[in-house]
Amino acid sequence: DIQMTQSPSSLSASVGDRVTITCRASQGISNSLAWYQQKPGKAPKLLLYAASRLESGVPSRFSGSGSGTDYTLTISSLQPEDFATYYCQQYYSTPPTFGQGTKLEIK
Amino acid sequence: EVQLVESGGGLVQPGGSLRLSCAASGFTFSSYWMSWVRQAPGKGLEWVANIKQDGSEKYYVDSVKGRFTISRDNAKNSLYLQMNSLRAEDTAVYYCARGYSSGWVDYWGQGTLVTVSS
Repeated sequence: DIQMTQSPSSLSASVGDRVTITCRASQGISNSLAWYQQKPGKAPKLLLYAASRLESGVPSRFSGSGSGTDYTLTISSLQPEDFATYYCQQYYSTPPTFGQGTKLEIK
Repeated sequence: EVQLVESGGGLVQPGGSLRLSCAASGFTFSSYWMSWVRQAPGKGLEWVANIKQDGSEKYYVDSVKGRFTISRDNAKNSLYLQMNSLRAEDTAVYYCARGYSSGWVDYWGQGTLVTVSS
């Protein structure tokens, strides 16, 4: 199975900050990567797929990039509703696997 | 509006069985792969299984192979997960999700909690 490692595991930031979360795969995944946001007690929500394609309805302050084994999720200007846990998921091979999550907290 | 509503969760003893259901609406159910994803209390997400539009292909994570069975009824717009020989480590919120063959998903249900404990 492909292992996905996110960093950092947690992050404190302020409204308006630019934030970057990294996801590293144990082998190349050819941009087969999705990002999800999860708020406490809620189901996850898809943000991006194919590493950089924004899901319909997701604000443009979210963006994704990367290639090979290394990928990033960037939030250009944090809003109060962005404080949540973020997960990456590779779907290059079965089983699709998730990173351990990055908890984004208010500073 | 896409809606996925899970049911069937609850408390079950180790070794027991449970069948989860997911009622889908707001989209053409028979056109999509469907998945189950779980989340143990306070932990991350784990993909469990998915099934092709016509049910002809099914895939499972190793930890549930031989114990869980995913199925669907396109006439009823419903997805199922039959869980047998349940273990304490199967305790989790189980999410039904609409997705694609590779396993990524774009809509999630609200989840149903399965607790395996004596």
